[in-house]
Amino acid sequence: KQEVTQIPAALSVPEGENLVLNCSFTDSAIYNLQWFRQDPGKGLTSLLLIQSSQREQTSGRLNASLDKSSGRSTLYIAASQPGDSATYLCAVHNAGNNRKLIWGLGTSLAVNP
Amino acid sequence: ETGVTQTPRHLVMGMTNKKSLKCEQHLGHNAMYWYKQSAKKPLELMFVYNFKEQTENNSVPSRFSPECPNSSHLFLHLHTLQPEDSALYLCASSQAGTDDNEKLFFGSGTQLSVL
Repeated sequence: KQEVTQIPAALSVPEGENLVLNCSFTDSAIYNLQWFRQDPGKGLTSLLLIQSSQREQTSGRLNASLDKSSGRSTLYIAASQPGDSATYLCAVHNAGNNRKLIWGLGTSLAVNP
Repeated sequence: ETGVTQTPRHLVMGMTNKKSLKCEQHLGHNAMYWYKQSAKKPLELMFVYNFKEQTENNSVPSRFSPECPNSSHLFLHLHTLQPEDSALYLCASSQAGTDDNEKLFFGSGTQLSVL
């Protein structure tokens, strides 16, 4: 059974720092891994989607990597800003018979001015 | 603005009430979803509709009744809910096809409180 874990659960950093959010999954049979952002009390916004054949994806100050064999993904945020404060969720799209998105609990990020 | 609109944004209801949540997508997608988000739990997929047909029902209690009249609209009818049903209910849409790498687009959600 696929399980997705995100570490840390919460993170508080000063503005300008580069930071790394971690996501691990137990079953490497996946189609893709996705990172989402959620602002308090609101819906989710897709940030990056990494297909199983890819190693990384970049969008602006965000870079996501995928190591399927070790069951890990990282989301790297460069030069963090207060506007980056949000919860970041990782979701794995299972391959095989159980073709579902399996979600982590998220990392709550606070970037302090 | 993600192109997926949910109403109402907030809803407070008693356990004997009947209410409905509405979702509309303006993206031309062919699949729509209902998710439940509770504190300290991962997102839970409730229902999936592809081309207006329900393709997935993840053992959701019958007090939640979905309706998808067309590819752009999705409803969740609520009846005799329990306090533990209080949560953020999220609607999403995607362009589902042979490629499983489609992205989900979420609405802002309805924050539901059951008293």
